[in-house]
Amino acid sequence: DAGVIQSPRHEVTEMGQEVTLRCKPISGHNSLFWYRQTMMRGLELLIYFNNNVPIDDSGMPEDRFSAKMPNASFSTLKIQPSEPRDSAVYFCASSPDGLSNQPQHFGDGTRLSIL
Amino acid sequence: DAKTTQPPSMDCAEGRAANLPCNHSTISGNEYVYWYRQIHSQGPQYIIHGLKNNETNEMASLIITEDRKSSTLILPHATLRDTAVYYCIVRVEEPDTGNQFYFGTGTSLTVIP
Repeated sequence: DAGVIQSPRHEVTEMGQEVTLRCKPISGHNSLFWYRQTMMRGLELLIYFNNNVPIDDSGMPEDRFSAKMPNASFSTLKIQPSEPRDSAVYFCASSPDGLSNQPQHFGDGTRLSIL
Repeated sequence: DAKTTQPPSMDCAEGRAANLPCNHSTISGNEYVYWYRQIHSQGPQYIIHGLKNNETNEMASLIITEDRKSSTLILPHATLRDTAVYYCIVRVEEPDTGNQFYFGTGTSLTVIP
């Protein structure tokens, strides 16, 4: 079975540019999560969707970050404009149902470097 | 708030059992304990989870104390490929926002040949 698929795996861009990260959750999963991982702060939840609707975006750092889920099989996380402090590994995860005890399954992440 | 406490690092000899402890003294009655691991440059991998009974699957066993304030993840026969950071996570029930996973700093397990 295909797991959570993220693209690109690596992204290097200059500050000020727009960055779009993509995620395809596991088919049939109703919940999708975006995380950011840095050495200083570890893994942090940014935003969480249930049935394509954003439920909790309190972890989104600031207005430069936005996330969408136009359908059950696709989500994007956008940073505009990007800054060097946004450099991190961004993970997407999905679970069958965000309101149950089912575990989340993670993609392999996008390693983002902002120069 | 720190929801879980784990030792920062541990070593284990190849072929021996690896026992990874976790303290979650503030856990409430309906909060589950999850274990994940992360191998360098990969996404966190789900291992096992439980509420109050001990659990076992093909990867590991989870032992939860009777008061539920701590648990131990057991890898019965550690291999070099088990070298990773292991995270113990308490799923906090938020009535309006569903399951929230709080990843701590984890335990870096090194399996030694």
